[in-house]
Amino acid sequence: KNQVEQSPQSLIILEGKNCTLQCNYTVSPFSNLRWYKQDTGRGPVSLTIMTFSENTKSNGRYTATLDADTKQSSLHITASQLSDSASYICVVSLNDYKLSFGAGTTVTVRA
Amino acid sequence: KAGVTQTPRYLIKTRGQQVTLSCSPISGHRSVSWYQQTPGQGLQFLFEYFSETQRNKGNFPGRFSGRQFSNSRSEMNVSTLELGDSALYLCASSLRSYGGDLTDTQYFGPGTRLTVL
Repeated sequence: KNQVEQSPQSLIILEGKNCTLQCNYTVSPFSNLRWYKQDTGRGPVSLTIMTFSENTKSNGRYTATLDADTKQSSLHITASQLSDSASYICVVSLNDYKLSFGAGTTVTVRA
Repeated sequence: KAGVTQTPRYLIKTRGQQVTLSCSPISGHRSVSWYQQTPGQGLQFLFEYFSETQRNKGNFPGRFSGRQFSNSRSEMNVSTLELGDSALYLCASSLRSYGGDLTDTQYFGPGTRLTVL
């Protein structure tokens, strides 16, 4: 069973709307949590990195939140654009440098 | 600064063959990690090299191996290819220095698309 679960698996939103992606994890000991964006045919690109002591981190229209007590994270996309269409991957980093990946959420933004 | 480069970008092999993939990290980056990405399994960690030494290894069979050279360039080898090895193989580099910051950013290359027939 994957120790990093993402939901929903996919979603479709209209351009200009907001959306929130969820990530629940069970891995430990936890070092940091990362969100990546992966465009079709390309490698993932880092959006945010949060340590267990951080609650929120923003990168432009992307805002990630972290609740280390409930082991949940979310990625909020504000005022979506067509270029936001991609797969978003939640990654949990352990203290021994190992990374545990979620399966990703595919976001499709339609005009 | 040039990004992470991977060669070749596309590769078609047949079962039983072996393949070698190459990764050139960003200049100054000493850590190189390899990942396998498939539609069904998502991203899975293969191994990480730092200063020519394998530092971490994922749960893959011994057919998957790698190495890192003194210039931080890395190669990954898969022997006795199976149909299930068809995937996108991604390489990522970072500044990571062991014992230091755990929040270093990884920069991914575009990947090598391997198809096994």
